Amino acid sequence: GENVEQHPSTLSVQEGDSAVIKCTYSDSASNYFPWYKQELGKGPQLIIDIRSNVGEKKDQRIAVTLNKTAKHFSLHITETQPEDSAVYFCAASRMFSGGYNKLIFGAGTRLAVHP
Amino acid sequence: DAGVTQSPTHLIKTRGQQVTLRCSPKSGHDTVSWYQQALGQGPQFIFQYYEEEERQRGNFPDRFSGHQFPNYSSELNVNALLLGDSALYLCASSLAKRPPYEQYFGPGTRLTVT
Repeated sequence: GENVEQHPSTLSVQEGDSAVIKCTYSDSASNYFPWYKQELGKGPQLIIDIRSNVGEKKDQRIAVTLNKTAKHFSLHITETQPEDSAVYFCAASRMFSGGYNKLIFGAGTRLAVHP
Repeated sequence: DAGVTQSPTHLIKTRGQQVTLRCSPKSGHDTVSWYQQALGQGPQFIFQYYEEEERQRGNFPDRFSGHQFPNYSSELNVNALLLGDSALYLCASSLAKRPPYEQYFGPGTRLTVT
């Protein structure tokens, strides 16, 4: 069945360092890959996403890369700041015309950025 | 611009009871998806509503049902509650005519079943 594996489960870095979170998906028909940040007591917040026809996407300090052949994608955060501390989730879905978009989530990575 | 809102924030119910959770989508959105997030896990897809009909469903029993209203708001109903139904229930909204149909989440309703 559909499955997304996410590693590591916890990540601790010093402020200013880079952080990398990796995900692997099982459904080769997946074509949309969003990343969410969830702070304590809040719902997941969409921070960046990538479609299967793109290999890399950047938005300021965050970037996502996709390797369709290996069925894995990664989130890169550069120059980390304490406010980046949160749980990060990757997700994969088959996006169909008409808005069909069932997200399959990884188990999450708890990122701690120490000053 | 109002984001996704959910009510109530917290809820405590007893095994066997029924519960109704409510969601108002982000302004301009027409599609609502519901997810269950157990403690320490990623959200799991329950179902999606568009044009007042359920059109995709995850691996959840029929005890979980929903409804979408003409104003695009939605309800999630859970009957015969089990202890294992204790979780954060998240609603996400999106726009059916705008790929990649990004989903924006509300703050969730924390359900505790005792």
